[in-house]
Amino acid sequence: DAGVIQSPRHEVTEMGQEVTLRCKPISGHDYLFWYRQTMMRGLELLIYFNNNVPIDDSGMPEDRFSAKMPNASFSTLKIQPSEPRDSAVYFCASARFYGYTFGSGTRLTVV
Amino acid sequence: QKEVEQDPGPLSVPEGAIVSLNCTYSNSAFQYFMWYRQYSRKGPELLMYTYSSGNKEDGRFTAQVDKSSKYISLFIRDSQPSDSATYLCAMRKNNNAGNMLTFGGGTRLMVKP
Repeated sequence: DAGVIQSPRHEVTEMGQEVTLRCKPISGHDYLFWYRQTMMRGLELLIYFNNNVPIDDSGMPEDRFSAKMPNASFSTLKIQPSEPRDSAVYFCASARFYGYTFGSGTRLTVV
Repeated sequence: QKEVEQDPGPLSVPEGAIVSLNCTYSNSAFQYFMWYRQYSRKGPELLMYTYSSGNKEDGRFTAQVDKSSKYISLFIRDSQPSDSATYLCAMRKNNNAGNMLTFGGGTRLMVKP
């Protein structure tokens, strides 16, 4: 099993640009989570899906953030327009029962 | 006040030392407790998973939960340089992936050869 796959690993973009982060969960996992990690705030849950349906998006900071899961093997997190304060590491995690498996993250820098 | 508090460190120890990492929490509804290890530029990985109060041992690692004190610990015996990482505690109210994990902020551990 290749684990949770995220792309890109690094993204540097200019303020105002659209950013799309991608995630492929582990096959058979029916939960998918998007987290953001910063030194100041630690790990923050942004949104999670169950069976491709968004269940809780209360952690999404603003309308500039949106997430989709069109099928069981793919999810995207989009930021439009991006701002410097969005700079962070974004993790995707998937789960079937109790334990979460995290991807290696996307390090986003907005300049 | 955060629901889960964890000393950010860094904690620096010599190789072979016994390491104690701790978290305190405020919500008595938490029943399931986890420790994740996160290496630099990697995602967190599940290290230990325990239910309610008591101890659980796995090799050099022991997880301890004291629900009466709302305090959990992770002990690492014979620490190795490869144990250098950030350790995050996490907890939830029931044993269901859809029940959200609440994470501590993480403690950075450095084991020096």
